[in-house]
Amino acid sequence: AQSVSQHNHHVILSEAASLELGCNYSYGGTVNLFWYVQYPGQHLQLLLKYFSGDPLVKGIKGFEAEFIKSKFSFNLRKPSVQWSDTAEYFCAVNGGGADGLTFGKGTHLIIQP
Amino acid sequence: DAGVIQSPRHEVTEMGQEVTLRCKPISGHNSLFWYRQTMMRGLELLIYFNNNVPIDDSGMPEDRFSAKMPNASFSTLKIQPSEPRDSAVYFCASSYDRTDTQYFGPGTRLTVL
Repeated sequence: AQSVSQHNHHVILSEAASLELGCNYSYGGTVNLFWYVQYPGQHLQLLLKYFSGDPLVKGIKGFEAEFIKSKFSFNLRKPSVQWSDTAEYFCAVNGGGADGLTFGKGTHLIIQP
Repeated sequence: DAGVIQSPRHEVTEMGQEVTLRCKPISGHNSLFWYRQTMMRGLELLIYFNNNVPIDDSGMPEDRFSAKMPNASFSTLKIQPSEPRDSAVYFCASSYDRTDTQYFGPGTRLTVL
């Protein structure tokens, strides 16, 4: 079965720091990759996605992610975080025979002003 | 578009009672998913419908859980009888097809006392 690993469960950064959240998946075939964000008390919102093409994808609010097939990775990055980026971030994968999304456990990001 | 609509947003009930959660997907989407989010297990797929037909219910925890989709604009998730361990946030999501981007509703926070 497909599995997704997010290496950092809790991350605390200061404003303007750079961010990188790791994500690895297990299935070696064709996959669609997603990062979702869940702000406090709100529902999941799509940050960015990768289906095919350029492995460096740009999303909303200055986020980007790089798909590295050889490493089964899809890490999320932002060069300079803001206090408003405080949220839970989920990496998700669609593929490997699974019908829905397989989610990582999430990373709780806290940005200190 | 109003997005995915879920009701109720919050539900508090007593053990043994029947609970019904409701979802209206985005118009034109053919795939509908129910997920459950808990601290221990994260986000898990419960059931997936395609064109109103249940395709994969392998994630439904036990016979106390049932889901229906009588038409393209409405789905229900029912728990009968409910137990304290069912306490979680239940999300509904919809997409054009199984592999496309899923859009999530605001969720129903269920508390079973």
